[in-house]
Amino acid sequence: AQSVSQHNHHVILSEAASLELGCNYSYGGTVNLFWYVQYPGQHLQLLLKYFSGDPLVKGIKGFEAEFIKSKFSFNLRKPSVQWSDTAEYFCAVTGTDKLIFGTGTRLQVFP
Amino acid sequence: DTEVTQTPKHLVMGMTNKKSLKCEQHMGHRAMYWYKQKAKKPPELMFVYSYEKLSINESVPSRFSPECPNSSLLNLHLHALQPEDSALYLCASSQEITADTQYFGPGTRLTVL
Repeated sequence: AQSVSQHNHHVILSEAASLELGCNYSYGGTVNLFWYVQYPGQHLQLLLKYFSGDPLVKGIKGFEAEFIKSKFSFNLRKPSVQWSDTAEYFCAVTGTDKLIFGTGTRLQVFP
Repeated sequence: DTEVTQTPKHLVMGMTNKKSLKCEQHMGHRAMYWYKQKAKKPPELMFVYSYEKLSINESVPSRFSPECPNSSLLNLHLHALQPEDSALYLCASSQEITADTQYFGPGTRLTVL
């Protein structure tokens, strides 16, 4: 069965700090990988996705993620966070017909 | 346009009430989904419709009854809910039921008294 692990449950950063959120998945076949963000009081928005090709994927708002197949990882990065990046971040994987979410990482950015 | 709309935004209901949640998309997507999300938790899949037919039911209690009247609309009928059913109910859609990108609506915040 597919599963997704996000080891960072709560991350606190100051503005301009660099961000890396971990995501590891378990699935033996071909996967599609996603990062979704949920800002306070708002709905889930797609940050970026990886289906195939270049393993370094760029998304909206300066976010990027790198797919490392050998490590079953899809970590999210941003060189310099802003206060407005405060949100819940979900990694998700789909290999068949279901989207499996990680438990989420709460990011708090202080000015 | 990647918009999924949901109504109402908020709903408060008693345990004996019957209410419905509505979801609409005009992206031509043929797969639509209902999720339940508790605070600070990831969404949990409830139902999946593919080409207007129920494809997946994640062992959801019968007090939740989905309906897909046409390819653009998805309803969730609620009856005799429990307080623990209070949550954010999210609708999503994707091109097909396969491993495709799902686009989420803003959700309906449901409170059961």
